[in-house]
Amino acid sequence: QKEVEQDPGPLSVPEGAIVSLNCTYSNSAFQYFMWYRQYSRKGPELLMYTYSSGNKEDGRFTAQVDKSSKYISLFIRDSQPSDSATYLCAMTRGGSNYKLTFGKGTLLTVNP
Amino acid sequence: NAGVTQTPKFQVLKTGQSMTLQCAQDMNHNSMYWYRQDPGMGLRLIYYSASEGTTDKGEVPNGYNVSRLNKREFSLRLESAAPSQTSVYFCASSYGHSKSTDTQYFGPGTRLTVL
Repeated sequence: QKEVEQDPGPLSVPEGAIVSLNCTYSNSAFQYFMWYRQYSRKGPELLMYTYSSGNKEDGRFTAQVDKSSKYISLFIRDSQPSDSATYLCAMTRGGSNYKLTFGKGTLLTVNP
Repeated sequence: NAGVTQTPKFQVLKTGQSMTLQCAQDMNHNSMYWYRQDPGMGLRLIYYSASEGTTDKGEVPNGYNVSRLNKREFSLRLESAAPSQTSVYFCASSYGHSKSTDTQYFGPGTRLTVL
């Protein structure tokens, strides 16, 4: 079993839709959870991060972590064509371990 | 403020040739990383440097060597390129905090093709 599983999509939605992106993981030691956005032919950029379980909201984006289920989600409200990108989940144990474990990424297209 | 820069942007090599990918950051970060990204495989860590003077293997280090030249620069060398090393290579850097999350900032990538 891979440490982090992410449905690669592709996911295609109309503008204004609510988008749900998800990852599951197997390592219960993961404490910090991140979502990166990667536009075509660009490097990934950090979108949001959360520590342990709970929700975090930033504008149209909400990150959710459920450690009991080992499941994390990213919700995008009122999706825009500019949200079209690949979204990668990432996680780490934190502390002295800096290494991130990434999901494979989900390709999202928001159609005008 | 350039952030993380990588050179070259594109490269085509023949099997057996060698080359060095360069990475530099201007954010005074302690930690630096090299990843490769392949379709269907996601981002995989090749090598990382937690601080100046140290390097460690990641998930897929075979066929690569690295040098942390100074705090700013971290290079990745392919001694004898193979077609399996065709990929997009990303360099990243972070502060390297011992506590809390440690955001990694990525460069624009180098697209390498080995024929």
